[in-house]
Amino acid sequence: SQKIEQNSEALNIQEGKTATLTCNYTNYSPAYLQWYRQDPGRGPVFLLLIRENEKEKRKERLKVTFDTTLKQSLFHITASQPADSATYLCALDISGGYQKVTFGIGTKLQVIP
Amino acid sequence: DGGITQSPKYLFRKEGQNVTLSCEQNLNHDAMYWYRQDPGQGLRLIYYSQIVNDFQKGDIAEGYSVSREKKESFPLTVTSAQKNPTAFYLCASSIGQGKETQYFGPGTRLLVL
Repeated sequence: SQKIEQNSEALNIQEGKTATLTCNYTNYSPAYLQWYRQDPGRGPVFLLLIRENEKEKRKERLKVTFDTTLKQSLFHITASQPADSATYLCALDISGGYQKVTFGIGTKLQVIP
Repeated sequence: DGGITQSPKYLFRKEGQNVTLSCEQNLNHDAMYWYRQDPGQGLRLIYYSQIVNDFQKGDIAEGYSVSREKKESFPLTVTSAQKNPTAFYLCASSIGQGKETQYFGPGTRLLVL
């Protein structure tokens, strides 16, 4: 069956360290993968998109990698801050690039001052 | 100020009652989506619409209905056939035409009395 896995347990890290979140998938061949941030009681907010032919994407303190052989994406936040505390969702294209995606359950990140 | 709005923020449903959740966007986006979010589960797609007057069932459409009579509006009705409606409902939109980023509304929390 098709599945997306994210670390379901919360990730606690010290302020200033790099946070690394994992998204693994099986039985998909996505054209792209996205990462979103969700705060409690709010809608998700788009952060980054990486395509199947891209290995890495950066935006300010954020970096995403995409390994289609391992079927894995890693999401890094460098120099983490307490304000980065949130749940981070990965989303895979499942429609060959026609806007239909499926979401992982998310990983809750807590940055400790 | 462009964006996507949902109302109400909280909605209470009695047994056997149909309720309608509102979703409006002024982003001029072609595609709109409804998701349901439950604790410990990822966002699950209920319905989506790529264009006015057309919509498709998602993964969990049973007990729900939608309409797309105007580009900016995509209301979701939770019918009495939906036996477990308590959840956080999120509406999203995207430009369409191969532009994948989804913009989410603030969500509606539906509770059963």
